[in-house]
Amino acid sequence: QKEVEQNSGPLSVPEGAIASLNCTYSDRGSQSFFWYRQYSGKSPELIMFIYSNGDKEDGRFTAQLNKASQYVSLLIRDSQPSDSATYLCAVIWYNNNDMRFGAGTRLTVKP
Amino acid sequence: KAGVTQTPRYLIKTRGQQVTLSCSPISGHRSVSWYQQTPGQGLQFLFEYFSETQRNKGNFPGRFSGRQFSNSRSEMNVSTLELGDSALYLCASSMGLAAQETQYFGPGTRLLVL
Repeated sequence: QKEVEQNSGPLSVPEGAIASLNCTYSDRGSQSFFWYRQYSGKSPELIMFIYSNGDKEDGRFTAQLNKASQYVSLLIRDSQPSDSATYLCAVIWYNNNDMRFGAGTRLTVKP
Repeated sequence: KAGVTQTPRYLIKTRGQQVTLSCSPISGHRSVSWYQQTPGQGLQFLFEYFSETQRNKGNFPGRFSGRQFSNSRSEMNVSTLELGDSALYLCASSMGLAAQETQYFGPGTRLLVL
């Protein structure tokens, strides 16, 4: 089992809909979780991070963490065509300072 | 504040050659991490340097090496290039260790090995 897994997609949603991106990870101790967005031909940029169980909202983005089920998700409300990109999930395990990225989910928002 | 810069942006080499890539972190950042990104493997961690010392290393052969200078600038070297080394090489900087601080990525160096 890979340590950080994401559905590669592509995930297609209509403009204005909610896009839901999921990430599962191996439980190896204390972790933090990051969501990056990467446009085609560009480098990843940080969207948000989450440390604690529950939801964290930032504008149209909500990160949800469920440590018992070992998954973290990113919800994008009112999706826009400009949200079309690959979304990367990253996990940091603090016990050995290890950081791993998922393979990314490609999201397409259709006008 | 200027972002992370990488040079060169594009590079074409042939098999067997060696290549050196450069990364200048955000001012004040002491950690530089290097990643290889390919369509098939995604983003894979190469190594991290902090205060001129390698702190973490991914699962790559010894042909991949790096170093960090006293001004936190970092270089990555790949010797005896193989076709499979064609990839986007990204560096990311953070104030502290990557596992403890937010990383900011540079634009990448796209390497093509012929």
